[in-house]
Amino acid sequence: DVKVTQSSRYLVKRTGEKVFLECVQDMDHENMFWYRQDPGLGLRLIYFSYDVKMKEKGDIPEGYSVSREKKERFSLILESASTNQTSMYLCASSPTRGTRFFGSGTQLSVL
Amino acid sequence: DQQVKQNSPSLSVQEGRISILNCDYTNSMFDYFLWYKKYPAEGPTFLISISSIKDKNEDGRFTVFLNKSAKHLSLHIVPSQPGDSAVYFCAASATNAGNMLTFGGGTRLMVKP
Repeated sequence: DVKVTQSSRYLVKRTGEKVFLECVQDMDHENMFWYRQDPGLGLRLIYFSYDVKMKEKGDIPEGYSVSREKKERFSLILESASTNQTSMYLCASSPTRGTRFFGSGTQLSVL
Repeated sequence: DQQVKQNSPSLSVQEGRISILNCDYTNSMFDYFLWYKKYPAEGPTFLISISSIKDKNEDGRFTVFLNKSAKHLSLHIVPSQPGDSAVYFCAASATNAGNMLTFGGGTRLMVKP
């Protein structure tokens, strides 16, 4: 089975802090994604990566950056956390079109 | 503007009855559609998909119907079970958009015993 592991289930941070969310997949997938899930808004794409060191902006990249130094690891960075970044963050990987395998999510609260 | 909409935020159904979850889209370039299921504290998991060359795809208790002229798809669960209680997301992609998926806002299904 494909496993996508997110390093933290819950995080509480203060406004202005730098936040790192880590994601690791074990199936050698080329594609990795970061989404945030908010009630009524579904899953919105923040950033994605098609290959090591490659990154592309999604629909809502503002306030976020990413890093993909190794194929299996995709990190989401909040340079200066704000309260409107309180959300559920979901990492996913994909070998082909459409099929996403998701991690369990990180519930981030920014106070 | 949301290109994929799930207009019912929640749905309650009695165990054993049919659950029908609906999804509408506006982008006529979408040609592949998926449904994901999400339990609390877990990531979404893939449930079923349909290509635009079909109007129906069935997998056990789950059937997805696609009406291209109406830009509408629906997920039918028959019979519904309490374990089906979850949030269901529909998603769509277009061949010319590579591996991009656009998700709807989700519908919370509650199946009562």
